[in-house]
Amino acid sequence: EEQLVQSGGGLVQIGGSVRLSCAASGFTLGNFWMTWVRQAPGKGLEWVANIRDDGSGKYCVDSVKGRFTVSRDNVKNSLYLQMDNLRAEDTAVYYCARDYSDSGPDLDCWGQGALVTVSS
Amino acid sequence: QSALTQPRSVSGSPGQSVTISCTGTSSDVGSYDYVSWFQQYPGKAPKFMIYHVTKRPSGVPDRFSGSKSGNTASLTISGLRAEDEADYYCCSYAGNYIYVFGGGTKVTVL
Repeated sequence: EEQLVQSGGGLVQIGGSVRLSCAASGFTLGNFWMTWVRQAPGKGLEWVANIRDDGSGKYCVDSVKGRFTVSRDNVKNSLYLQMDNLRAEDTAVYYCARDYSDSGPDLDCWGQGALVTVSS
Repeated sequence: QSALTQPRSVSGSPGQSVTISCTGTSSDVGSYDYVSWFQQYPGKAPKFMIYHVTKRPSGVPDRFSGSKSGNTASLTISGLRAEDEADYYCCSYAGNYIYVFGGGTKVTVL
């Protein structure tokens, strides 16, 4: 079965850092672009970042530029989101998702989500 | 990178059809046939329902269909069923490898 299993998250202070991980099983992560999407409590989905299949290109929403870094280790079949200088408004459930084509958003497989709570 | 505009809620009786609109701009929905739709139940991850405006992934019932006209994409659910009650989100490619989501629509089955 193809699946994405997320880890990381939790409670972090304003200005702090946290790293989310997303491990793929049942398929080869290196064959796909990957995407991070977040959802603030009671709010809608928001695209956060994309990364090319080989990691050569990374793209993110303006509100996280300079603070969040998406990366991947195709040997470990894993995707990461390093979140630095966190703000209260970054509080959300973060999902990783597989983008099955490079003409997306064809997000056909999703992780279970990881809650990041940023508080003082 | 403004969010696409969706109605906050739509409702219908079992067996009826409902349509959810998703309005963007000439920079996103209007420029690309890369609009997807996702279904989300409370506390669950989204599910991929429609891609490339009109295409259905394997396993998605043909009661779900997508279309687009100009800057507005639409999702129609025909033969509404109780299990269709969920939140629905559109998402469009916006150029430069950027995606933009709609605000979400709650579908209520009366």
